[in-house]
Amino acid sequence: RKEVEQDPGPFNVPEGATVAFNCTYSNSASQSFFWYRQDCRKEPKLLMSVYSSGNEDGRFTAQLNRASQYISLLIRDSKLSDSATYLCVVNKPAAGNKLTFGGGTRVLVKP
Amino acid sequence: EAQVTQNPRYLITVTGKKLTVTCSQNMNHEYMSWYRQDPGLGLRQIYYSMNVEVTDKGDVPEGYKVSRKEKRNFPLILESPSPNQTSLYFCASSLAGGLETQYFGPGTRLLVL
Repeated sequence: RKEVEQDPGPFNVPEGATVAFNCTYSNSASQSFFWYRQDCRKEPKLLMSVYSSGNEDGRFTAQLNRASQYISLLIRDSKLSDSATYLCVVNKPAAGNKLTFGGGTRVLVKP
Repeated sequence: EAQVTQNPRYLITVTGKKLTVTCSQNMNHEYMSWYRQDPGLGLRQIYYSMNVEVTDKGDVPEGYKVSRKEKRNFPLILESPSPNQTSLYFCASSLAGGLETQYFGPGTRLLVL
């Protein structure tokens, strides 16, 4: 089983719609979670950290479910510019807090 | 402008010909790391460095070397490249470690023939 798993997609989303997707992680000791965004052939950039109580940043909402070991990202009112691959990132506490990246979920927002 | 730079951005080489990919950051970050990204496998860490003269293996270090003689630079060395090292490579830096925001360079696309 992969340490961090994501549905690769693509999620085809009409402009203005809401899309949500999850990421599951296997290490129950993980404490830090992030979503990074990666545009085609570009470098990843931090989108948001994920806090225990859930957090929102504009149209983006991240949630953490420790019991089921997954995090989620919801995008409201999707824009064309939201088209990207979203990478789930989880820390490995027993390995000096190195990061494990998921394979990414591709989102395509269409007019 | 705060940034991480990598050179070269694209490289085609042949098996066994030593190469170095440079990485430099101007943010005075302590932590630097190298990743490779392959389809279906996500980003995998090759090596990381917590500080000058301190480096350690990541998840896929075989076939690579690094050095950290100065805070700002963290070159990745392939002593004898092989075709399975064909990949997209990213250098990243952060203030103090893995839990901080990672700032990635633009990537180096390497093809080993």
